Amino acid sequence: GAGVSQSPSNKVTEKGKDVELRCDPISGHTALYWYRQSLGQGLEFLIYFQGNSAPDKSGLPSDRFSAERTGGSVSTLTIQRTQQEDSAVYLCASRASPAGVNGYTFGSGTRLTVV
Amino acid sequence: AQRVTQPEKLLSVFKGAPVELKCNYSYSGSPELFWYVQYSRQRLQLLLRHISRESIKGFTADLNKGETSFHLKKPFAQEEDSAMYYCALSHSGSARQLTFGSGTQLTVLP
Repeated sequence: GAGVSQSPSNKVTEKGKDVELRCDPISGHTALYWYRQSLGQGLEFLIYFQGNSAPDKSGLPSDRFSAERTGGSVSTLTIQRTQQEDSAVYLCASRASPAGVNGYTFGSGTRLTVV
Repeated sequence: AQRVTQPEKLLSVFKGAPVELKCNYSYSGSPELFWYVQYSRQRLQLLLRHISRESIKGFTADLNKGETSFHLKKPFAQEEDSAMYYCALSHSGSARQLTFGSGTQLTVLP
């Protein structure tokens, strides 16, 4: 596609429920990243995909968080048993390659609210 | 460990005045630094990167390794420059993920 698409744009969920956030990167971009933007804080790295594999999961805050990527394209970030501290904007970004001369292209994010 | 510090959460200047958004970093290797901007209700986008040594929308940023700084400057601020600005440092590993500062909200007053 022309840009990075994320869905849903907003999600309100009850504490304890599972949620899935979707990212559709720019076609042909092999590198895909998930970040979290919490209120009053900067952007926090969560996970990186190169193709379908995730060589760097170091930023996932707990084992309730998982992500996958299929077909070298769409990625899904899943949060199980959501907690209120999970409330944040979840951003996805893609890049032609990790060492590409251009920066990331970010999606518009999913605003998650856990009530 | 990599760290990016933006000491000002909020910065207000008048239209036409010079503006400088501060960014300091700590990194043991050779840093690759970026400035990203997020206008109201828009997605985060790349403003400039130090390798390019370019000027975008009148903004420039020079990497000072001695002071470990990468301050963003513009000689004459415009109202449309009002936005959230993030300084970011690229890791040298294979992932090249970014470490972001906490951001500075710039408001340019008429």
